[in-house]
Amino acid sequence: GENVEQHPSTLSVQEGDSAVIKCTYSDSASNYFPWYKQELGKRPQLIIDIRSNVGEKKDQRIAVTLNKTAKHFSLHITETQPEDSAVYFCAASQKNTGFQKLVFGTGTRLLVSP
Amino acid sequence: KAGVTQTPRYLIKTRGQQVTLSCSPISGHRSVSWYQQTPGQGLQFLFEYFSETQRNKGNFPGRFSGRQFSNSRSEMNVSTLELGDSALYLCASTLRWQQETQYFGPGTRLLVL
Repeated sequence: GENVEQHPSTLSVQEGDSAVIKCTYSDSASNYFPWYKQELGKRPQLIIDIRSNVGEKKDQRIAVTLNKTAKHFSLHITETQPEDSAVYFCAASQKNTGFQKLVFGTGTRLLVSP
Repeated sequence: KAGVTQTPRYLIKTRGQQVTLSCSPISGHRSVSWYQQTPGQGLQFLFEYFSETQRNKGNFPGRFSGRQFSNSRSEMNVSTLELGDSALYLCASTLRWQQETQYFGPGTRLLVL
């Protein structure tokens, strides 16, 4: 089955710096890759996603890149702010499971210091 | 629209008991997935229901079961609770089968003593 690895497990940056979180997946059939942000005690919230027919997607300060050949995808946050502090999860799924079975990475705890 | 809701939010049970958790999807959403979140294992997929049918299942023992009703609300049941079942149980809803975006509920935190 699919396996998603995520690095780093923790990331500390200064406000205004950029942050990059990387994930690799094992199943070449995976073709949908969402990123979720989970603040302490709250539900995971989708922040951005990318489909396998796209190499890059950007939404304001957040961008995701996908390299299908290498089977890895990354989250880029620019101009980080203290409110970006949270745990970020990458995930992968595929059409033959209706995209419903998300396989998650282990999470990255991002701390943005003022 | 109201978001995904889950009840109860917190639950304390003892080993050997059983528990039922409920999830109401976003209005109009017909697919509901369940996940278990623990510090050790992270977020793991339990199962998914669409049109009252289980479409996908994760690698959990048969003590974990679920169902979906005609109004798309879903329940999951855990029988013969073990200490290791202590976790945050999250459900997520999607508009339909083969629609990617999942919206999560706030979760039910289960503590097994």
